[in-house]
Amino acid sequence: DTAVSQTPKYLVTQMGNDKSIKCEQNLGHDTMYWYKQDSKKFLKIMFSYNNKELIINETVPNRFSPKSPDKAHLNLHINSLELGDSAVYFCASSQGLLTPSNQPQHFGDGTRLSIL
Amino acid sequence: GQSLEQPSEVTAVEGAIVQINCTYQTSGFYGLSWYQQHDGGAPTFLSYNALDGLEETGRFSSFLSRSDSYGYLLLQELQMKDSASYFCAVSAGGSYIPTFGRGTSLIVHP
Repeated sequence: DTAVSQTPKYLVTQMGNDKSIKCEQNLGHDTMYWYKQDSKKFLKIMFSYNNKELIINETVPNRFSPKSPDKAHLNLHINSLELGDSAVYFCASSQGLLTPSNQPQHFGDGTRLSIL
Repeated sequence: GQSLEQPSEVTAVEGAIVQINCTYQTSGFYGLSWYQQHDGGAPTFLSYNALDGLEETGRFSSFLSRSDSYGYLLLQELQMKDSASYFCAVSAGGSYIPTFGRGTSLIVHP
């Protein structure tokens, strides 16, 4: 049983195209995230949604637009792809946002985006 | 803002003990997490410390000193499969969403 699944696993496309990455979690978690990991493995948060509501929107170009149709899904749409968008994008989820103690994040396997 | 420092690379031999340090600067500290990521894989949660002291989970232990803004991950009886990147992450500020360090690449030699 896959806890956090994202598709596609690989995405190769040309500069200027628009693409989407889908993410679903079956853990019953309230909070979902998108992270970008660059070639130096720096893992940077992009967005966080709690119960379908946008909580965190880091300094990400507005070409990136997350959409959460329900709390089990958080998709990422990217317009006008640029060379610098090449990275691995990870979806993650956690039980909650503003609760104490341990809130481990569960990550999907990543989407490797390559811009030609 | 928040900042974390951890070594970029650590090497050790099979069966040894290795310690990966993490220092952080932040306000409104909640806790320090550790994640493991194998090449081509997803980060997976290892441990979380909110209070000072040592937390042990099998061969892995994690330590936190809030007064020193410092923590470490201790890996004992190293195995080849422990070769991976290890990230410390600090939860602070208005939410518990962790900010990740740049990761430490652990290379275990036979």
